[in-house]
Amino acid sequence: QSALTQPPSASGSPGQSVTISCTGTSSDVGGYNHVTWYQQHPGKAPKLLIYAVTKRPSGVPDRFSGSRSGNTASLTVSGLQAEDEADYYCNSPTGDENWVFGGGTKLTVL
Amino acid sequence: QVQLVQSGAEVKNPGASVKVSCKVSGYTFTDHYIHWVRQAPGQGLEWMASINADTGDIHDAQKFQGRVTLTRDTSVNSAYMELSRLRYDDTAVYYCASGGAVTAGLAIDVWGLGTLVTVSS
Repeated sequence: QSALTQPPSASGSPGQSVTISCTGTSSDVGGYNHVTWYQQHPGKAPKLLIYAVTKRPSGVPDRFSGSRSGNTASLTVSGLQAEDEADYYCNSPTGDENWVFGGGTKLTVL
Repeated sequence: QVQLVQSGAEVKNPGASVKVSCKVSGYTFTDHYIHWVRQAPGQGLEWMASINADTGDIHDAQKFQGRVTLTRDTSVNSAYMELSRLRYDDTAVYYCASGGAVTAGLAIDVWGLGTLVTVSS
């Protein structure tokens, strides 16, 4: 199973919005309502941001939102803040009870 | 609150095995899968395998088949991951994570802090 495709980097200025894409296939991203997004700061464990494509767990600011079109899921960060600078990963189940991550996107707040 | 507490860092020789533990609290252990994910230095996340904490059923990535062994002990709410025939490129932080404790089974959600495994001669 190949990793889901994410852009290696993204950037934006404070207050701006940034969207990170995650492209898979109909066997993973496009085929399941279980797309998940994580935020990871250096030296820390990943933190759940978005699950089931669009749902936000309690405690995650509504500046973070998820969507999907076909085989591509997207994470949008609105009103960028300095603390949003981190690595972001998408994740999806596959057709054989396995799971696959995206390669990760490093978000820089300019 | 949901917590997954992992065992401490390990240094192993090439060819050896390592066993990492993951103790769960804050939810009914047998309600959800436990997933194992690793991250090599400077690299991304890599899903390795998962175990149904109730039935013991295991799913593993083809890359690790034959080298990874997952077990669980429901009496102490703990899961274990053993990786054998270690190679230098197995050096990584190994995470355990709940398969749905806060998302009703919809995601790999709550993560342990990770266990650094270093393979070095």
